[in-house]
Amino acid sequence: SQQGEEDPQALSIQEGENATMNCSYKTSINNLQWYRQNSGRGLVHLILIRSNEREKHSGRLRVTLDTSKKSSSLLITASRAADTASYFCATPPGGGANSKLTFGKGITLSVRP
Amino acid sequence: ETGVTQSPTHLIKTRGQQVTLRCSSQSGHNTVSWYQQALGQGPQFIFQYYREEENGRGNFPPRFSGLQFPNYSSELNVNALELDDSALYLCASSLGHGYTFGSGTRLTVV
Repeated sequence: SQQGEEDPQALSIQEGENATMNCSYKTSINNLQWYRQNSGRGLVHLILIRSNEREKHSGRLRVTLDTSKKSSSLLITASRAADTASYFCATPPGGGANSKLTFGKGITLSVRP
Repeated sequence: ETGVTQSPTHLIKTRGQQVTLRCSSQSGHNTVSWYQQALGQGPQFIFQYYREEENGRGNFPPRFSGLQFPNYSSELNVNALELDDSALYLCASSLGHGYTFGSGTRLTVV
């Protein structure tokens, strides 16, 4: 069963615009992680937010976490064509630093030049 | 981009055959996990190894097996291949929070 479910499934924006992607999960978590995957290649770890954090920034990325709503959002500001990829949220259910990750189906982001 | 190396990158096998996929984890990472990603889906957890012992397994049949070696590299073995085993197989290593993924092995079963 899926823990994380991303929304929307697909997103198409113009270069320079902001992209907002959402993720909902079902069980308690220790942390939530966002990954990017380019065209069927390996996943790249973008950012990790712990359950006691509400917001985190990394470059053009901003992640929020609302544990009361069991949801997270990933904002990419000033998007570039190179941001075109699939984005996944992943959680280690129940905590644990090295617990397995449960992924959603991902969001396909297309950034038009 | 990544310190995790997987081999081979692509592989074609016939139904019923056996396959071994290999993964060299990032230096110092003692935990290795394997994931199966079907086309258009998110990765699904197969199993995880910590210091050469399996310490977690997903909903995969026993014909999926693995090993972790003293240098923390790992193998994924799949016996009696089925057409539905066609997927991207991802290896990920970790020393704590956050995983480093390899580029994957694309397995096609015909």
